[in-house]
Amino acid sequence: NAGVTQTPKFQVLKTGQSMTLQCAQDMNHEYMSWYRQDPGMGLRLIHYSVGAGITDQGEVPNGYNVSRSTTEDFPLRLLSAAPSQTSVYFCASSTAGASNTGELFFGEGSRLTVL
Amino acid sequence: AQSVTQLDSQVPVFEEAPVELRCNYSSSVSVYLFWYVQYPNQGLQLLLKYLSGSTLVKGINGFEAEFNKSQTSFHLRKPSVHISDTAEYFCAGFSGTYKYIFGTGTRLKVLA
Repeated sequence: NAGVTQTPKFQVLKTGQSMTLQCAQDMNHEYMSWYRQDPGMGLRLIHYSVGAGITDQGEVPNGYNVSRSTTEDFPLRLLSAAPSQTSVYFCASSTAGASNTGELFFGEGSRLTVL
Repeated sequence: AQSVTQLDSQVPVFEEAPVELRCNYSSSVSVYLFWYVQYPNQGLQLLLKYLSGSTLVKGINGFEAEFNKSQTSFHLRKPSVHISDTAEYFCAGFSGTYKYIFGTGTRLKVLA
């Protein structure tokens, strides 16, 4: 069972470069989301989606873009990387609607360093 | 404001001793509450969840948590910890509108 797959696992960027973190899930989950994890700050929601073509901002959306063209994929784009975006990024998915009990399924994370 | 507060950032405990990791939530957070565990260099996985019904919830690996509405708490407990329980633990609430609220995490370090 693949579950939630994130790529790449590690990435080093220079300030100003752009890149895309990929996330794919094979559980037919309507809800997908991106979090960043920083020491002492827990997980903070960046963007989320409740279905193909529907996205919304979370707590810390600035500097990030998302799209949801298919149920399976939810890429996160960094438009112009900054050192403040050095973090570990997690993609998570869940069912939505009446069947949503709130349990999130997480990928293994992508560690990003911006120099 | 909606919040989930984990009162301890680090908890050291000796192997085979009991442990309690504390979590309080704001009353505006939905009563769907969760504990997740994160082992080193891995993603988070669900330990247990409270949706409704019995206030004592049992999870995987011998962990349990008690939902206390009057104290707005959802503390995690284990009667006897093992070295392999060393990890970071996150309390989370589901606030509706698909916005989950996570606590800042508690690092549990089990000492031999």
